[in-house]
Amino acid sequence: DAGVTQSPTHLIKTRGQQVTLRCSPISGHKSVSWYQQVLGQGPQFIFQYYEKEERGRGNFPDRFSARQFPNYSSELNVNALLLGDSALYLCASSRTGSNSGANVLTFGAGSRLTVL
Amino acid sequence: DAKTTQPPSMDCAEGRAANLPCNHSTISGNEYVYWYRQIHSQGPQYIIHGLKNNETNEMASLIITEDRKSSTLILPHATLRDTAVYYCIVRVGGGGADGLTFGKGTHLIIQP
Repeated sequence: DAGVTQSPTHLIKTRGQQVTLRCSPISGHKSVSWYQQVLGQGPQFIFQYYEKEERGRGNFPDRFSARQFPNYSSELNVNALLLGDSALYLCASSRTGSNSGANVLTFGAGSRLTVL
Repeated sequence: DAKTTQPPSMDCAEGRAANLPCNHSTISGNEYVYWYRQIHSQGPQYIIHGLKNNETNEMASLIITEDRKSSTLILPHATLRDTAVYYCIVRVGGGGADGLTFGKGTHLIIQP
């Protein structure tokens, strides 16, 4: 089975631009979460979506938005890019939106964004 | 979610058991202990999780103390490919959608 797939793998943008990152979850998984990982730090939670609805949001500004489609894939959008948005953006999928012990998150390889 | 404390780095000889400690002294009764690892520039990889009892799978063993205030991840026969950052995470069970809280983890270096 295919794992969590993300695209693009690498991209370079300039300050003020907008970026869209894409994620396809594992087949059968209905929840997608997004994380930001800056160099030297652990991943930080941005959003969780389940059944096309936002279920949770981390401490990120409104420049960050996301959506989930009927096929459970997801997009993360970041507007008005800042240099500090340079990071590895990780997508994770799980079967449900629950935090129960059995609902393990599986991560993709990430999209590395560089803002110049 | 409760906070975890891990040593920033550890070394282990190839072929030996790697024992990674994690302190979670403020853990609540409904919080699970999860371990993930991240090999350089890849996404985090799930290893194992547990609530109260010790757990074992094909990758590792998880030993949780009786008072649940600390745990140890054991890689029984470490290889060079086990070099990675290991994250110990506590996560509340039952509904909610607050995401996983990662710290800085332990950078485990397997020495040949």
